[in-house]
Amino acid sequence: EAGVTQSPTHLIKTRGQQATLRCSPISGHTSVYWYQQALGLGLQFLLWYDEGEERNRGNFPPRFSGRQFPNYSSELNVNALELEDSALYLCASSPRLDSYNEQFFGPGTRLTVL
Amino acid sequence: AQKITQTQPGMFVQEKEAVTLDCTYDTSDQSYGLFWYKQPSSGEMIFLIYQGSYDEQNATEGRYSLNFQKARKSANLVISASQLGDSAMYFCAMRLWGTGNTGKLIFGQGTTLQVKP
Repeated sequence: EAGVTQSPTHLIKTRGQQATLRCSPISGHTSVYWYQQALGLGLQFLLWYDEGEERNRGNFPPRFSGRQFPNYSSELNVNALELEDSALYLCASSPRLDSYNEQFFGPGTRLTVL
Repeated sequence: AQKITQTQPGMFVQEKEAVTLDCTYDTSDQSYGLFWYKQPSSGEMIFLIYQGSYDEQNATEGRYSLNFQKARKSANLVISASQLGDSAMYFCAMRLWGTGNTGKLIFGQGTTLQVKP
């Protein structure tokens, strides 16, 4: 069974640009989560999607947004990039909204903002 | 407020010995789950073990066991017979279930474990 996949592996952008990160969950999983792991700040929850709807978002500005497609894959968009957006962005999936399951993580996208 | 505390920034252990990584949590919710993840230098988060708040027995998964002390709000990870491949960052995390389910895992700051040959 294929795990969670993310693309690209690395992304280099300059301040003010937009970044798009992609995630494909494990087959059969409907919930997708996004986390930011910035140096010195630990893992911070960004967004939760399930069945195409945004279920919850963390304490991030509106320039962080995303969506979930009918095939349950997801996209994270970061607009007007700032230097402090440089981080590892991790996507995770779990079977469904109310499942008492662990979240399975992908390998991450490392975003560098210059 | 919901919080996870890992007080050991770094730990060393000799190969083949056991090691305990500490984790304490804070929540007033009755329904929650506690997780341990391993993050090697490659960055991917690998799930290790899970303990539900209503589980009476401590969880075990191979060489990993979770020492769950609910009254003390602690969920320590015990790794037996350490291997060189266990060298990594370890994160304790919590998720609320039921009406408090926001979907998010609340992570501690992590403990870096180095296994010495």
